[in-house]
Amino acid sequence: AQTVTQSQPEMSVQEAETVTLSCTYDTSESNYYLFWYKQPPSRQMILVIRQEAYKQQNATENRFSVNFQKAAKSFSLKISDSQLGDTAMYFCAFNTGANSKLTFGKGITLSVRP
Amino acid sequence: EAGVTQSPTHLIKTRGQQATLRCSPISGHTSVYWYQQALGLGLQFLLWYDEGEERNRGNFPPRFSGRQFPNYSSELNVNALELEDSALYLCASSFPPVTGKNIQYFGAGTRLSVL
Repeated sequence: AQTVTQSQPEMSVQEAETVTLSCTYDTSESNYYLFWYKQPPSRQMILVIRQEAYKQQNATENRFSVNFQKAAKSFSLKISDSQLGDTAMYFCAFNTGANSKLTFGKGITLSVRP
Repeated sequence: EAGVTQSPTHLIKTRGQQATLRCSPISGHTSVYWYQQALGLGLQFLLWYDEGEERNRGNFPPRFSGRQFPNYSSELNVNALELEDSALYLCASSFPPVTGKNIQYFGAGTRLSVL
């Protein structure tokens, strides 16, 4: 079975600081994809970043970057220069190439303090 | 370019009734996915449609069904509504997985309340 675990239910960070959100996953597949999605109070799920498991280089999108540790099955998200608009629930998710349903973690509520 | 659109935004039903939720994918996307986001249960995969066919189904009872139309839009039907069906239902769309472009883009959801 494929599982995604986000053990921190909530975190808080000061504006302009850096925060890291943790995620671990379990799978026996060799070809898979990892995602971080953001769900603000408006509830629209927005893709933050995507990582392909066969790529060793960590994905980066502006202020967002990941630390992908394949052997440890760890996929953490680092948010640099946190902004008030980053306040949201963040979900780590996983799917394989063939079976494209997303398996989500329980999410973490991130609050950015002014 | 329009994103994934879902209707209605809110839906209020009573126990035993049927609910129909609708989703229009991003232009060019042929795959549509449905997820349930219930309080305390997180996001659960419901159904995946591609090219008009049901490709995969999550661990939900047969009361949950759907279909995909020739224009790739989709309906989710929930029959014999139960109180625990109250949730946010999210629709997502993507290019077919065989293309390797398997990023799923989500709509804003339909909030279903069963009284």
